[in-house]
Amino acid sequence: DVKVTQSSRYLVKRTGEKVFLECVQDMDHENMFWYRQDPGLGLRLIYFSYDVKMKEKGDIPEGYSVSREKKERFSLILESASTNQTSMYLCASSFPRVAGGYEQYFGPGTRLTVT
Amino acid sequence: GQNIDQPTEMTATEGAIVQINCTYQTSGFNGLFWYQQHAGEAPTFLSYNVLDGLEEKGRFSSFLSRSKGYSYLLLKELQMKDSASYLCAVVTTDSWGKLQFGAGTQVVVTP
Repeated sequence: DVKVTQSSRYLVKRTGEKVFLECVQDMDHENMFWYRQDPGLGLRLIYFSYDVKMKEKGDIPEGYSVSREKKERFSLILESASTNQTSMYLCASSFPRVAGGYEQYFGPGTRLTVT
Repeated sequence: GQNIDQPTEMTATEGAIVQINCTYQTSGFNGLFWYQQHAGEAPTFLSYNVLDGLEEKGRFSSFLSRSKGYSYLLLKELQMKDSASYLCAVVTTDSWGKLQFGAGTQVVVTP
């Protein structure tokens, strides 16, 4: 079974703190993604990576950065946390399906609260 | 960009059938996924359609019409455990496998 793990399920940080969210996948997938999920807005892509050290901005990259030094690990960094970054953060990895498309496997999510 | 629309919430009784519609507008369409997400949990894969037609998998079926930009997920013989959010997501040819998600449809199954 594919396993995507995230470092924390719940996190509480103060405004202005630097926050690291870690994601690890164990299936040698090339593509990895970071989303945030907010009620009524669905999943929105923050950043994705298609290879080690390669990254691309998603739809809402402002206030975030990422790091991918090893294939299995993709980190999301909040340089200076703000209250509007309070959200559920989901990591995913994907591979090309035999039947077509890229199926994404999700981690359990990190619920981040910034106070 | 892409517009993906699905209803916000649907309610149905146990044993019934519910159909969740999803409409999309995109260029370079390369498939549509349905995911299920229980409260507080990660989304899990349900189905993938890239060609027109119906794909059946047990109690769940998914349909796609590319010309109409339309898909639906059909849940039959509803069970209480089917209460969840159902996410429609589109992938395009130039996207490196990125998915564009709709806001999700919350399905509430009542006894």
